[in-house]
Amino acid sequence: KQEVTQIPAALSVPEGENLVLNCSFTDSAIYNLQWFRQDPGKGLTSLLLIQSSQREQTSGRLNASLDKSSGRSTLYIAASQPGDSATYLCAVPFSGAGSYQLTFGKGTKLSVIP
Amino acid sequence: KAGVTQTPRYLIKTRGQQVTLSCSPISGHRSVSWYQQTPGQGLQFLFEYFSETQRNKGNFPGRFSGRQFSNSRSEMNVSTLELGDSALYLCASSWSGGAGGYTFGSGTRLTVV
Repeated sequence: KQEVTQIPAALSVPEGENLVLNCSFTDSAIYNLQWFRQDPGKGLTSLLLIQSSQREQTSGRLNASLDKSSGRSTLYIAASQPGDSATYLCAVPFSGAGSYQLTFGKGTKLSVIP
Repeated sequence: KAGVTQTPRYLIKTRGQQVTLSCSPISGHRSVSWYQQTPGQGLQFLFEYFSETQRNKGNFPGRFSGRQFSNSRSEMNVSTLELGDSALYLCASSWSGGAGGYTFGSGTRLTVV
């Protein structure tokens, strides 16, 4: 059974700081890993999808890395802004009964202080 | 292209009633998954449909059911509502499930009173 852990559970930083969010998973046999953002009461917005053959993916100020062998992924946010305040979730597909389901971490709640 | 559409956005129901939620996936996507999100349990997998067939089901009671239509739109139904069913219900769309990543809708907030 796949388990996903995110550390820290909450993070507060001043505007402009660079920061790193961590995600670890127990089963390294993954197809990919996806990072999402969730604003309060809203759905999930996909930020980055890293395939198992990739080491990194970048989108604007966001950079996600994947190390399958150690069961870890990091999401790097450069020059943080108040609009980045949200909960960040990582998820991996878990294969079962001929299909996939996403296993999520509990998320990191980020607050960027102006 | 249009994203994943969930309706309604908000629902208030009374214990014992039943409810139906709807999800229209991205055009061309054949896999629709449903998740329940609560503060205590986080995001939990309900079920996945692919080409009108349920391929996988999470650990939820039989009161939770779903279906998928030939146009890939999906509905989930919860019968005999309980207070603990209050949650944000999220639908995820993918081309085939797994390799291509998932796109989520905005969710339906269900409150049971």
